[in-house]
Amino acid sequence: KNEVEQSPQNLTAQEGEFITINCSYSVGISALHWLQQHPGGGIVSLFMLSSGKKKHGRLIATINIQEKHSSLHITASHPRDSAVYICAVRSYAGGTSYGKLTFGQGTILTVHP
Amino acid sequence: EPEVTQTPSHQVTQMGQEVILRCVPISNHLYFYWYRQILGQKVEFLVSFYNNEISEKSEIFDDQFSVERPDGSNFTLKIRSTKLEDSAMYFCASGRMFTDTQYFGPGTRLTVL
Repeated sequence: KNEVEQSPQNLTAQEGEFITINCSYSVGISALHWLQQHPGGGIVSLFMLSSGKKKHGRLIATINIQEKHSSLHITASHPRDSAVYICAVRSYAGGTSYGKLTFGQGTILTVHP
Repeated sequence: EPEVTQTPSHQVTQMGQEVILRCVPISNHLYFYWYRQILGQKVEFLVSFYNNEISEKSEIFDDQFSVERPDGSNFTLKIRSTKLEDSAMYFCASGRMFTDTQYFGPGTRLTVL
């Protein structure tokens, strides 16, 4: 059974701080997604990665396939970054994978001014 | 920018009633998904759909659930006889290929009374 675990569950920061959210998973994967869920419930895809590192603006995502671990970093955090950040993986099961994602429980980030 | 849309945004129904949740995926996408999120819990995969048939489904997706792409634009999730435990936010997502980023709709909040 593929489990996806995130840490921390809750994170409070002051504006401008560097933030790291971690994700660990238990089986082989073909890709890992980082998603952002807004207070109203909508989900936005931030990154999809299968190796190395990706950067978009103040967001950086890294993945270590051997260690089954990924991190999402936010530099110079801002109150508008406050949201739930979710890690989700697409398993690689004998070559049969149609895009099903398995989700972590999410990390609730609050950035104070 | 193209986006996935869902209707209605909120549906209230009585236990035992049938509901149909509607989604319009992004027009050139070929893979379609339904996920659900019970309040306070992880997002869970329900079903993936490609080439007019189900390609993968979860244990949650029992005989009470069905999906359909009745025309070239809509993708629907039907729950035949709703239960209290079906109350959740239901998200539709689509992607060009199953290896690609998935784009999520804003969700339909289903409340079963």
